[in-house]
Amino acid sequence: DIVMTQSPDSLAVSLGERATIICKSSQSVLYSPNNKNYLAWYQQKPGQPPKLLISWASTRESGVPDRFSGSGSGTDFTLTISSLQAEDVAVYFCQQYYSTPLTFGQGTRLEIK
Amino acid sequence: QVQLQESGPGLVKPSQTLSLTCTVTGGSIFNDGHYWSWIRQHPGKGLEWIGFIYYSGTTEYNPPLESRVTISVDMSKNQFFLNVRSVTAADTAVYYCARGREQQPSDYFDYWGQGKLVTVSS
Repeated sequence: DIVMTQSPDSLAVSLGERATIICKSSQSVLYSPNNKNYLAWYQQKPGQPPKLLISWASTRESGVPDRFSGSGSGTDFTLTISSLQAEDVAVYFCQQYYSTPLTFGQGTRLEIK
Repeated sequence: QVQLQESGPGLVKPSQTLSLTCTVTGGSIFNDGHYWSWIRQHPGKGLEWIGFIYYSGTTEYNPPLESRVTISVDMSKNQFFLNVRSVTAADTAVYYCARGREQQPSDYFDYWGQGKLVTVSS
C-alpha cells in the first residue's frame, strides 16, 4: 500500500497570510508514460463530506478559488493557500490514486491564528 | 448535477451486518462508466477507502476489510450497496459513497454523499 503522510497535523495562519500543507507518499505516484502525478487534494469542513479541490497534483477544480494551488511531483507535494480567508478553515486531505488500495493522508487541520 | 445519498440504519449491534444503500440521481450507474466507491471516516479521524463497484459488477476491496465486505449494485434502481459483516465497535464511522471522476479503477472522487453515521453498539 502507498502510505500518505501529511505535515503538519495542524496549522494556524493569520488571515491574509500563506498556508502550506505538505503531503509525502511512500512511493512515487508519478506515472511515467503520461507524466502525470496521481494525487488529489480535498477540503473538509465540519459536518460535510470532503470537497475535491485539486486533481493531478496541480489541476484546480472548477469553482475553486485561485488562491488554492497544488504543486510537486513523485513523492513530495504541496497544497498552498496564498492568502488565507476565514472560509478556508477546514481539514485538508491528500489522496493517491496511482494504485489500489486508494489511500489518504491523515489530514491537516487549518485554523486562523 | 450528480447527487449521491446514503441511507440505512444508524445503529448496528456487534457481530451483526451493517447494510447501507447509496442512491444516485442526476447520473446513471449503468451508462456513465464511472467506478462507485464506499469510503469511511472514523470519528475525528482520516479517510479509509473500503472498495468500489463498476456497473458490470466488478468489485475491488481494501484488503484489511475484504473478508467482511460486499459491495453490490442494482442498476434498475440506480443504487449500490455496502454490507459489512461481523461488525465491532471499530466499524463505528461515517460512511460515504462517492463517484470516481476519471472512469478508472484507481481514481479520485468528485461527487460524495453527505455521509451516514453508523454506530456499532449493543
